[in-house]
Amino acid sequence: KNQVEQSPQSLIILEGKNCTLQCNYTVSPFSNLRWYKQDTGRGPVSLTIMTFSENTKSNGRYTATLDADTKQSSLHITASQLSDSASYICVVSPWTGGFKTIFGAGTRLFVKA
Amino acid sequence: DAGVTQSPTHLIKTRGQQVTLRCSPKSGHDTVSWYQQALGQGPQFIFQYYEEEERQRGNFPDRFSGHQFPNYSSELNVNALLLGDSALYLCASSRTGVQEKLFFGSGTQLSVL
Repeated sequence: KNQVEQSPQSLIILEGKNCTLQCNYTVSPFSNLRWYKQDTGRGPVSLTIMTFSENTKSNGRYTATLDADTKQSSLHITASQLSDSASYICVVSPWTGGFKTIFGAGTRLFVKA
Repeated sequence: DAGVTQSPTHLIKTRGQQVTLRCSPKSGHDTVSWYQQALGQGPQFIFQYYEEEERQRGNFPDRFSGHQFPNYSSELNVNALLLGDSALYLCASSRTGVQEKLFFGSGTQLSVL
């Protein structure tokens, strides 16, 4: 069964600190992996998109890595800001098409001053 | 260039009632997908519309139905509302063949009392 599991479920960090969020998936064959940021009560916004052949992708202070062999991805946030407080969702699409896309439950990040 | 717009933003209904949610896709997009997101969970795929037809459906009962209009906008209808239907309903649009580039609306928060 195709699954996407994220850890930790929630995380509290101080402003200015770095953090890393994890995503493990069992989707196969695999097409692409995306990280989204979702503010409370809002729709998800895309941060990064990686195909199976890519190992890393950056978007400002956000850097995603992908290890297709171990089926693991991480999202690293550098120099966190209060506005980074949100849910971060890992999304994996199999080769069969976008409507089979599987969403993780997300990691809820709280950045404190 | 307007992104994905959804209406209404919030809605309160009682059990047994029917509800219609609306979505206008991003300019240039022809495919609309609907998701249900319960509190603390990742979005769950309901169905996808392309060329005014339902192309794929997730594991949702027939009480959930939809429609796509010639201008690519879409509606989600839910009949015989249950308490468990309370959730954030997200609409995402994309261009055919570019499924990985999903753009989400801000969602409609539905509360069933």
